[in-house]
Amino acid sequence: GAGVSQSPSNKVTEKGKDVELRCDPISGHTALYWYRQSLGQGLEFLIYFQGNSAPDKSGLPSDRFSAERTGGSVSTLTIQRTQQEDSAVYLCASSLASEVTEAFFGQGTRLTVV
Amino acid sequence: GIQVEQSPPDLILQEGANSTLRCNFSDSVNNLQWFHQNPWGQLINLFYIPSGTKQNGRLSATTVATERYSLLYISSSQTTDSGVYFCAVVSFNDYKLSFGAGTTVTVRA
Repeated sequence: GAGVSQSPSNKVTEKGKDVELRCDPISGHTALYWYRQSLGQGLEFLIYFQGNSAPDKSGLPSDRFSAERTGGSVSTLTIQRTQQEDSAVYLCASSLASEVTEAFFGQGTRLTVV
Repeated sequence: GIQVEQSPPDLILQEGANSTLRCNFSDSVNNLQWFHQNPWGQLINLFYIPSGTKQNGRLSATTVATERYSLLYISSSQTTDSGVYFCAVVSFNDYKLSFGAGTTVTVRA
């Protein structure tokens, strides 16, 4: 597609359930990022993928969070045993390379844990 | 890590007014972007501007990398300019975008 695509747009889940969030980056973009934005807050870095290199998982808040990127394209962020504090908008971005090129964001997935 | 400070935190404008938003950063950068987050949460790219000056319609931006700041100018503001403006940078020897806390702009008709 023309832009970064995320699905679902909205997700309501019960506390304790697992959720999967999907990100389709712009075609040809090798760098992919996940960020989290809690209500009224700034953007918090979660994880970074670049090509076939090992991902930088330093921003993941707990071991309940994991992410993978298959075939260097689509990425899935998984949150296990969701908690209410996981409620936030999860944003995915991609760029052609890494630090020196422009990053573009998807529309985000709004996760609500009830 | 690099610190990114945006000012002012909030800005209320009358339609038609001009304004300047500022972004200060604590280290040398090789990437700087300005984004507008609309009321639906979408981050819209405004400028990719690690240095120099760019203009796009009523918006323009200047980054003075040697002095570690960037400015975003909004001229003849419209109600559709309302939202949160974020500055994000990548410092040398890093790759991830670090965001400021944003400036919330409200343009009143």
